[in-house]
Amino acid sequence: SSELTQDPAVSVALGQTVRITCQGDSLRSDYASWYQQKPGQAPVLVIYGQNNRPSESPDRFSGSSSGDTASLTITGAQAEDEADYYCTSRDRSGSRLSWVFGGGTKLTVL
Amino acid sequence: EVQLVESGGGLVKPGGSLRLTCAASGFTFSTYSMNWVRQAPGKGLEWVSSINIGSTYIHYADSVKGRFTISRDNAQTSLYLQMSSLRVEDTAVYYCARDDYGGVFDMWGQGTMVTVSP
Repeated sequence: SSELTQDPAVSVALGQTVRITCQGDSLRSDYASWYQQKPGQAPVLVIYGQNNRPSESPDRFSGSSSGDTASLTITGAQAEDEADYYCTSRDRSGSRLSWVFGGGTKLTVL
Repeated sequence: EVQLVESGGGLVKPGGSLRLTCAASGFTFSTYSMNWVRQAPGKGLEWVSSINIGSTYIHYADSVKGRFTISRDNAQTSLYLQMSSLRVEDTAVYYCARDDYGGVFDMWGQGTMVTVSP
């Protein structure tokens, strides 16, 4: 099966910009979706497709992709952005449909 | 209110069975593919299974194939996961997630905890 690789932890100073990356072969042909998960809560979709945000997602969140790497950028990070972030995309390594998640990145806002 | 509510989790012994239910409300359930995603304690997310609107396309992760069965009842606006031959490593919070478009999970339930322990 395909794998998506994320840095385990990233930190950012309050108000600064941070990029969280997700690397995997499947990203050469599929866009990633990004999810935010706070402790004890269900994941929440923040970015999908080329760079689409659900209406509830703040506009400081944006997405991009290049080659085998997708990125989630938070411009002007806020304290409430401290959370785990997961990417996902279709797993095209087999003949059947399946989805693969990255291992997650814990974002700390300093 | 638009929501997904999971139920049916609990404590079960290895080899046992459990049936999870995800009750949907506030949207047209029959027009969305649905998924189960799980999260072991302190670990990341793992996709488990998906089912399309007419139950004609069903897929499973290798880790659960042959042991878990996903199904849905559009009239009852409910999604199910029948789990059998449970293993300790199946211990996790199980979430149901609505698939808005090809793997974009735009709505999640609050999750139900499944603990498999001797």
